[in-house]
Amino acid sequence: AQRVTQPEKLLSVFKGAPVELKCNYSYSGSPELFWYVQYSRQRLQLLLRHISRESIKGFTADLNKGETSFHLKKPFAQEEDSAMYYCALGTTGGFKTIFGAGTRLFVKA
Amino acid sequence: EPEVTQTPSHQVTQMGQEVILRCVPISNHLYFYWYRQILGQKVEFLVSFYNNEISEKSEIFDDQFSVERPDGSNFTLKIRSTKLEDSAMYFCASQESGPGNTIYFGEGSWLTVV
Repeated sequence: AQRVTQPEKLLSVFKGAPVELKCNYSYSGSPELFWYVQYSRQRLQLLLRHISRESIKGFTADLNKGETSFHLKKPFAQEEDSAMYYCALGTTGGFKTIFGAGTRLFVKA
Repeated sequence: EPEVTQTPSHQVTQMGQEVILRCVPISNHLYFYWYRQILGQKVEFLVSFYNNEISEKSEIFDDQFSVERPDGSNFTLKIRSTKLEDSAMYFCASQESGPGNTIYFGEGSWLTVV
């Protein structure tokens, strides 16, 4: 079965501290992994995808097929990073993207 | 930058009434989706639509739900007889090319069933 697990509902860190939002997936095929972000009162938007291997707003995520993980990391959190973050799994050959339950990141001043 | 637009942004309806939520996907996109998010819960896949037909649907998408692309630009979600538990934010999304690529979301339509 295809599943995305984000174990933390809420993550609270101080400004300038490192942050890691965890994501594990379950999928027998070749996965396409994404991180979407939803800032307050805004639409869901793509933050980054594993295939592009880029850093967006200082965030990076590495796909670890051995651990079936795609954790999101940022070395120094900023207050404007406070948002809801969703890990998502795109299934090749299928027609849906499955979202994790989301992690609310709160960056304190 | 092109965006997915949804109307209405908020609708209140009485239980048992029919509701139509409308979406205008990004114009060159070929794949269309509806997702739902009940307050405090995760984003749930409802249905995907490609080449004028449903590609995949979840167990949530029962006979009360239907989708249509009536005129080549709009993409609608109809709930035939709303229930209290249909209260949620409904997100329309579109995608230029196939599954596994970036999905672009609308701002959502908040449906309240009373």
